[in-house]
Amino acid sequence: DAGVIQSPRHEVTEMGQEVTLRCKPISGHNSLFWYRQTMMRGLELLIYFNNNVPIDDSGMPEDRFSAKMPNASFSTLKIQPSEPRDSAVYFCASSLVRTMNTEAFFGQGTRLTVV
Amino acid sequence: AQKVTQAQTEISVVEKEDVTLDCVYETRDTTYYLFWYKQPPSGELVFLIRRNSFDEQNEISGRYSWNFQKSTSSFNFTITASQVVDSAVYFCALSEGSDFGNEKLTFGTGTRLTIIP
Repeated sequence: DAGVIQSPRHEVTEMGQEVTLRCKPISGHNSLFWYRQTMMRGLELLIYFNNNVPIDDSGMPEDRFSAKMPNASFSTLKIQPSEPRDSAVYFCASSLVRTMNTEAFFGQGTRLTVV
Repeated sequence: AQKVTQAQTEISVVEKEDVTLDCVYETRDTTYYLFWYKQPPSGELVFLIRRNSFDEQNEISGRYSWNFQKSTSSFNFTITASQVVDSAVYFCALSEGSDFGNEKLTFGTGTRLTIIP
């Protein structure tokens, strides 16, 4: 099992540019999560999908952020336009939800730097 | 609202010592799930354990053990005979039961553990 795969691992971009982060969940998992980690705010959930449908996007900071999951094996998180305060590590996680809660497995993260 | 508190920001112990990482949680739900994750210097988040609110049995896995006490809303993590490879940031997390199962995780602020050789 390849685990959750995120790309790119590192991204440096200039303020105002569009940034797209990508995630491939573990095959067979039906829930996908996007988290952001910063020194100030720690780990916080941005959005999560169940069966490709967004369930809770209350953590998305503002309209500059958008996320899609066109199919069960791919999701994107887009920031447009990017700002320096968006600099963080963005994690994607997936899990298999059945009748009981299950653990989420995380990707290695994308370290985003906006200059 | 759910909340997870890890009061210990940083801990340093000498190799082979035992160390306990504290986690206190708050939730109004009767059904909830508790987790521990490890974040080594390489940055990934590694799942360690999941516990549901109906199972208060302590668990041991090799040098790791977990003590879940609902009466004090605590889910503490002990590493026995610590090793340098245990150096990492450890996160405790909580999710509340829902129709969808694994809903959002609320993380604590983490405890940075340093094992001194």
